[in-house]
Amino acid sequence: DAGVTQSPTHLIKTRGQHVTLRCSPISGHKSVSWYQQVLGQGPQFIFQYYEKEERGRGNFPDRFSARQFPNYSSELNVNALLLGDSALYLCASSFGISYEQYFGPGTRLTVT
Amino acid sequence: DAKTTQPTSMDCAEGRAANLPCNHSTISGNEYVYWYRQIHSQGPQYIIHGLKNNETNEMASLIITEDRKSSTLILPHATLRDTAVYYCIVRGLAGGTSYGKLTFGQGTILTVHP
Repeated sequence: DAGVTQSPTHLIKTRGQHVTLRCSPISGHKSVSWYQQVLGQGPQFIFQYYEKEERGRGNFPDRFSARQFPNYSSELNVNALLLGDSALYLCASSFGISYEQYFGPGTRLTVT
Repeated sequence: DAKTTQPTSMDCAEGRAANLPCNHSTISGNEYVYWYRQIHSQGPQYIIHGLKNNETNEMASLIITEDRKSSTLILPHATLRDTAVYYCIVRGLAGGTSYGKLTFGQGTILTVHP
């Protein structure tokens, strides 16, 4: 069975640009969560979506937004990129909000 | 969210049991204990979770003390591939402030050596 997939694997952006990261959950999972992991730290929660609705939001600025599509895939958008946005962005899927989450391999974003 | 405290690092010999402790003294009755691990540059991997009873699966065992203030993750026969950062996480049930999300701390760096 396919696990959680994320694209792209790596990307490099310039300060001020916009980026869109994509996530496909495990088949049958209806919830997607996004996390940011900066070097040397544990992942930090950004958003959780369930059935296309936002169900949780972490302490991140409004430059971060996300959405979930009818097929349960998800996008994370970050506007006006800052150097501090450089991180590994992780997507996790779960059957429902309170079920165990399974993580994808992440997207490594570098902002120069 | 209930906070967890884990040792920064631990060592284990290959083939021996690895016992990773976690303190969660402020855990409330509606919060689970979850364990994840992260091998370098990969996404975290779910290991196991429990509420108050001991749990076992194909990867590990989870022992939760009777007062639920601490727990131990046991890898019964550690291999070199078990070298990773292990995260102990307290997560709430529906309606709690920690509902849904996973709050990661610094974790324990487990090094399994030959």
